[in-house]
Amino acid sequence: DQQVKQNSPSLSVQEGRISILNCDYTNSMFDYFLWYKKYPAEGPTFLISISSIKDKNEDGRFTVFLNKSAKHLSLHIVPSQPGDSAVYFCAASAGGGADGLTFGKGTHLIIQP
Amino acid sequence: ETGVTQTPRHLVMGMTNKKSLKCEQHLGHNAMYWYKQSAKKPLELMFVYNFKEQTENNSVPSRFSPECPNSSHLFLHLHTLQPEDSALYLCASSQDGATVEQYFGPGTRLTVT
Repeated sequence: DQQVKQNSPSLSVQEGRISILNCDYTNSMFDYFLWYKKYPAEGPTFLISISSIKDKNEDGRFTVFLNKSAKHLSLHIVPSQPGDSAVYFCAASAGGGADGLTFGKGTHLIIQP
Repeated sequence: ETGVTQTPRHLVMGMTNKKSLKCEQHLGHNAMYWYKQSAKKPLELMFVYNFKEQTENNSVPSRFSPECPNSSHLFLHLHTLQPEDSALYLCASSQDGATVEQYFGPGTRLTVT
């Protein structure tokens, strides 16, 4: 039973437009959420995070939105750039890092020139 | 070396072999993690070490044996593996067990023949 779901295996977006990646979760104990980016042959790289006490966190071109009532979060990238082409993983934590992170399967974002 | 390094990057082993995966972090962190990523599956947490003490064993078969001799090094000893154990094995570290953001190594691609 997957507790973190990314229902879109892939997403294609034109360069300069907005990329929106979605993530749903089922475990109401999750209180911290993270997005990771992964290039081929590299490990996941931490991108941005959000605590459950917030509904938005912004860092440059990246913004994460959290809707706790819907158990849904999204990552917005604007404007999208060719270097953003990668696999993006949504991850969640319940009560700190001691229990590790629970990951989604990832969404492959392709930025078209 | 910076960040989290893993060796070897690729490993092919027979079912009767014994091998070890090595992870080293140069971030001054105190918690280290092993994750497994099988094809078309999300990253799955295997083990957690916090200040060299194992704090989580996520129902991993005994043919996988972790070792954490100090806060900078983590090993995964492998013996009598099965073909279904073929996967990408990722090591991660965080400041401590209470910190959620984890930093990943590039992974070891393991193939069991």
